[in-house]
Amino acid sequence: AQKVTQAQTEISVVEKEDVTLDCVYETRDTTYYLFWYKQPPSGELVFLIRRNSFDEQNEISGRYSWNFQKSTSSFNFTITASQVVDSAVYFCALRRFDKLIFGTGTRLQVFP
Amino acid sequence: GAVVSQHPSRVICKSGTSVKIECRSLDFQATTMFWYRQFPKQSLMLMATSNEGSKATYEQGVEKDKFLINHASLTLSTLTVTSAHPEDSSFYICSAPRTSGGDWRTDTQYFGPGTRLTVL
Repeated sequence: AQKVTQAQTEISVVEKEDVTLDCVYETRDTTYYLFWYKQPPSGELVFLIRRNSFDEQNEISGRYSWNFQKSTSSFNFTITASQVVDSAVYFCALRRFDKLIFGTGTRLQVFP
Repeated sequence: GAVVSQHPSRVICKSGTSVKIECRSLDFQATTMFWYRQFPKQSLMLMATSNEGSKATYEQGVEKDKFLINHASLTLSTLTVTSAHPEDSSFYICSAPRTSGGDWRTDTQYFGPGTRLTVL
């Protein structure tokens, strides 16, 4: 079965705190693709990152970083020095063929 | 900037009427587009895959006669909610894969801004 689990439904932090959003996936495919999307209050999903299953190198983009661990089937997302503008719902997704399977999302609230 | 647009962004209609939502890829062609539905504070659920030149493929449990999909061109897909009822009220989002090198495995799905449908 293909499944994405985001156990944290809601996280609240104060500005400048670091925060990690967890994502655990299940798949029987040997090659697969993982994604993170951000959905701000406006509703539009913003693409953040795509990761191939054969590339376990962690990635950093500014204040964002991703930790992909095949051994634990996890693809966690860390925001360093969070800002109010980071407040949004974040979705982790697994692609099977051309379809995306989304997790239930984690609502992040960053307070000033 | 936005690569996928949706129109309208918000629509309110009376029960029993039909509503058409357009999804356009702005600077690339998409032979497939995807339609999702999102209830408040919930995840996105794939409804159907819109295929240019052929019939849409629907996910299990989605009524194809209720949600009509037409992939009119390589940049336009429409979703028509027929005889809408209050339970159809939701946030509808489309997406289109933008492929690099013609290999779907390297594509990234870009999402439209969504359409909020309210059926009274």
